[in-house]
Amino acid sequence: SAVISQKPSRDICQRGTSLTIQCQVDSQVTMMFWYRQQPGQSLTLIATANQGSEATYESGFVIDKFPISRPNLTFSTLTVSNMSPEDSSIYLCSVVPGPTYNEQFFGPGTRLTVL
Amino acid sequence: GESVGLHLPTLSVQEGDNSIINCAYSNSASDYFIWYKQESGKGPQFIIDIRSNMDKRQGQRVTVLLNKTVKHLSLQIAATQPGDSAVYFCAERANQAGTALIFGKGTTLSVSS
Repeated sequence: SAVISQKPSRDICQRGTSLTIQCQVDSQVTMMFWYRQQPGQSLTLIATANQGSEATYESGFVIDKFPISRPNLTFSTLTVSNMSPEDSSIYLCSVVPGPTYNEQFFGPGTRLTVL
Repeated sequence: GESVGLHLPTLSVQEGDNSIINCAYSNSASDYFIWYKQESGKGPQFIIDIRSNMDKRQGQRVTVLLNKTVKHLSLQIAATQPGDSAVYFCAERANQAGTALIFGKGTTLSVSS
């Protein structure tokens, strides 16, 4: 498996500002994904973070709102831009360690509250 | 033991009972399925998985059943313990390695002693 850490673990932000969430993995991984979990809801895939190229976004999510970087095989960032209270959610980083793995492992999440 | 027919958002059981949590998935082409457990304030934790060429897989105290005919997945927990209290999610992967999991609605399991 992979050990995944996220920073910050939680934050309270003002509307109109932006927050960048970091995801660090203890080993090189093949795939990295970002999910959103709104209060009391299931997980929704935001995008696949591609190493060295632009992320692949799911329907309903756009790069201007959720820019993603993945400069190497162990690190990715998700920025939540121009935040509104509707962006209050838990944001989760997830990885597939390698081509022989099927399982996805999740980080502890970043709990974001937008006032 | 307690069971649910289709997905219900909550399931309450007594300690020692067997629990059955159900999930209906959407994509008949999905080739891989996982059950996750999520405790409050934590990320989802892998419980057990099953590939589409199987209909049953057992782990420690947990069993996953897959019925592809009706696109139904279930998680059975034997001798449920208070530490099993959490939200449980099923997730499916489209028939392509490297694609992300798509999650179903969660079921909150409450175990009383």
